[in-house]
Amino acid sequence: DAKTTQPPSMDCAEGRAANLPCNHSTISGNEYVYWYRQIHSQGPQYIIHGLKNNETNEMASLIITEDRKSSTLILPHATLRDTAVYYCIVRVFLTGNQFYFGTGTSLTVIP
Amino acid sequence: DTAVSQTPKYLVTQMGNDKSIKCEQNLGHDTMYWYKQDSKKFLKIMFSYNNKELIINETVPNRFSPKSPDKAHLNLHINSLELGDSAVYFCASSPTGGNEQFFGPGTRLTVL
Repeated sequence: DAKTTQPPSMDCAEGRAANLPCNHSTISGNEYVYWYRQIHSQGPQYIIHGLKNNETNEMASLIITEDRKSSTLILPHATLRDTAVYYCIVRVFLTGNQFYFGTGTSLTVIP
Repeated sequence: DTAVSQTPKYLVTQMGNDKSIKCEQNLGHDTMYWYKQDSKKFLKIMFSYNNKELIINETVPNRFSPKSPDKAHLNLHINSLELGDSAVYFCASSPTGGNEQFFGPGTRLTVL
């Protein structure tokens, strides 16, 4: 069962930062926060994950609040190719453990 | 080079038929998965295999039988297909101890 809450949809202007929020108020101490995205008709793609510290990679930044009850995925300069459904997932790190995908946020980047 | 591949990409068949979907990964991963994405776009885990051994079976009907001949392959066989089986099926893999799952392109199954 998905343990996260995300807004169903968001718009962002091309070139601007896209900030996607996620609530996970019941997160356990050993659960990580993961972000995936699914571009239309393709398989989901890993973006980033974190436990309690903020993380950054070549795709995005992940900001996790100090109480770990919410997080924000930041795409610093959104492009049209970032239009996708973004999934926030909490998961215990365990071999073979699956990801429970919720409904996600449909992000539309507008020219 | 395709990391996780699935065949076929599209599959249209009649109710009651038996069909298989194949999945192969060339990433050297030990763990493979099958997910189902229905018409409402909910993506749900079906099975998880680690080193050819079943780890997770999420209350999937026994008409669905995964088979892992080796670590690089996880095939999905479906008996007596029903209308409700129509969906996109995604295969994925991950390394043991890894955080990232790599997904295949999906197989769109349509049962008429």
